[in-house]
Amino acid sequence: DADVTQTPRNRITKTGKRIMLECSQTKGHDRMYWYRQDPGLGLRLIYYSFDVKDINKGEISDGYSVSRQAQAKFSLSLESAIPNQTALYFCATKGNTGELFFGEGSRLTVL
Amino acid sequence: GDSVTQMEGPVTLSEEAFLTINCTYTATGYPSLFWYVQYPGEGLQLLLKATKADDKGSNKGFEATYRKETTSFHLEKGSVQVSDSAVYFCALSQGGGADGLTFGKGTHLIIQP
Repeated sequence: DADVTQTPRNRITKTGKRIMLECSQTKGHDRMYWYRQDPGLGLRLIYYSFDVKDINKGEISDGYSVSRQAQAKFSLSLESAIPNQTALYFCATKGNTGELFFGEGSRLTVL
Repeated sequence: GDSVTQMEGPVTLSEEAFLTINCTYTATGYPSLFWYVQYPGEGLQLLLKATKADDKGSNKGFEATYRKETTSFHLEKGSVQVSDSAVYFCALSQGGGADGLTFGKGTHLIIQP
């Protein structure tokens, strides 16, 4: 089983719908991250969390919110999806070595 | 702010060719440097890393040396294989209060038999 698991892996939705992407990890790491990947733009940080009570905005947090339900779970929400939020979303955890461990990604299409 | 610049792709090579993917960075202090690889349909996985100047990271035949004087961390491999076809990301980490990694835009590598 993967150490960092994302659900759903693929989702197609319509403009204005609320969407939640979920992430769970078995690595026991306190730090968790949500990134967005767009062709030609690399990965950009949306939100990150140092622990359940510590949530921080990243580079592109507008239009997104997050919830850290437990050490192992970190969810990303789009309250009202729009087409330019179509992208590949990655959850990641970070250990003491500074290395990020990524999930397999959630591909979101907003029509 | 911090930034990472890497050569744009796609880079197309023949099998057994020598590979170099350039990466330069702008950062204050002494960041750690990473190369991540993304195979089709998968998430990113760490390929190698270096945490201080002159360190050489290596893995699966790939190497990169942390050059502070030129602020570079170029990725090299002596003889590439078709299975090396993937997208490669250079990244840096400052740690501390500003967390997460700063990534380059990625270089798509295509190896032809």
